[in-house]
Amino acid sequence: KNQVEQSPQSLIILEGKNCTLQCNYTVSPFSNLRWYKQDTGRGPVSLTIMTFSENTKSNGRYTATLDADTKQSSLHITASQLSDSASYICVVSLYGNNRLAFGKGNQVVVIP
Amino acid sequence: NAGVTQTPKFRVLKTGQSMTLLCAQDMNHEYMYWYRQDPGMGLRLIHYSVGEGTTAKGEVPDGYNVSRLKKQNFLLGLESAAPSQTSVYFCASSPHSSGGAYEQYFGPGTRLTVT
Repeated sequence: KNQVEQSPQSLIILEGKNCTLQCNYTVSPFSNLRWYKQDTGRGPVSLTIMTFSENTKSNGRYTATLDADTKQSSLHITASQLSDSASYICVVSLYGNNRLAFGKGNQVVVIP
Repeated sequence: NAGVTQTPKFRVLKTGQSMTLLCAQDMNHEYMYWYRQDPGMGLRLIHYSVGEGTTAKGEVPDGYNVSRLKKQNFLLGLESAAPSQTSVYFCASSPHSSGGAYEQYFGPGTRLTVT
């Protein structure tokens, strides 16, 4: 059973619009939560990393939120651009562990 | 500063053949990782290393071996390739443990097909 669930699985949005991606996790004990962007045919690139004490972090037009009590996170993309077309992966780090638990990703397609 | 590089980028093997995937990083990172990514699944950890000369098993280590003879290099070996090992392989490195809020930097990936 995957410990990190993402929704929606895929999303098509118009250029310039906003969108929000969801991540629910059951990983425990929790250390930090990451969002990665993965362009087709490339390796993942880190967008944000949040520890359990942080509830929001921004990176340009990307804003991640974290509710450690409900074990939920979201990634909000503002004023989407064609270059935002990618898979967005939610990743949770276990406390005291070298391993990461990866979600399957949210596939976002931005159309003009 | 090239970051994390992987060779080769693509490879086709026949069942039973062997090969080695090379990962190199120029950021002086202690930790290095090998993942595989399959359609419809999240990345899964194969093996990792916490420093030169060390290796440890990850989530899906069977059929793979690794070596970290030099700090900057992490090799992934397939002794006898099987069709189930058809996947995209990613190497990553980080300065410290993932349990801390340290970024993992990923390479561009190696697409391996086993026929």
